[in-house]
Amino acid sequence: DIVMTQTPLSLSVTPGQPASISCKSSQSLLHSDGKTYFYWYLQKPGQSPQLLIYEVSSRFSGVPDRFSGSGSGTDFTLKISRAEAEDVGVYYCMQGIHLPRTFGQGTKVEIK
Amino acid sequence: EVQLVESGGGLVKPGGSLRLSCAASGFTFSSYSMNWVRQAPGKGLEWVSSISSSSSYIYYADSLKGRFTISRDNAKNSLYLQMNSLRAEDTAVYYCARESRISGGFDLWGRGTLVTVSS
Repeated sequence: DIVMTQTPLSLSVTPGQPASISCKSSQSLLHSDGKTYFYWYLQKPGQSPQLLIYEVSSRFSGVPDRFSGSGSGTDFTLKISRAEAEDVGVYYCMQGIHLPRTFGQGTKVEIK
Repeated sequence: EVQLVESGGGLVKPGGSLRLSCAASGFTFSSYSMNWVRQAPGKGLEWVSSISSSSSYIYYADSLKGRFTISRDNAKNSLYLQMNSLRAEDTAVYYCARESRISGGFDLWGRGTLVTVSS
């Protein structure tokens, strides 16, 4: 199975300040079709997860542009340019190139 | 409204069975692969199973060891998860999730249904 490792596991951010989460996969997520099957999700308190970023850097519909994804191969990063109170929750990365789909451990983000 | 609504969770004794359902609405259910993802209390996300749009392809997490069966009824816009020989470690919120046809990510999630396995 592909292991997804997130760092840090918790993060406290001041409103208006940037934040960054890293995710590393144990195998390359680059498919022979040229796509990289890597995703970011946010689970807000008491809610189900929601898709933020797909294929490394594409924002899902309705996701604010303060969220951005980058990376390639096995190393990926989610950045929040200016954190807002509504960004609190647990962020998960996920790989979609191989079954079983596997998630990172989650990064809990709190807003100070 | 585009949504997924799970049902069927509850309290069950170890060794018991439960059948979860997920009702889809607001989109063409028969065009999408569907998944079950679970989350144990206070823990992270764990993929459980997936089924292709026409049920031709079905996959499970190895940890389930044949105890769970995923199925769907496109005429009823419904996804199911039959869970047998339940164990305490199966206690979790079970989410159904739609798989994007474009990116392969899970672009629509239900609110989940809680399964508690306890004597």
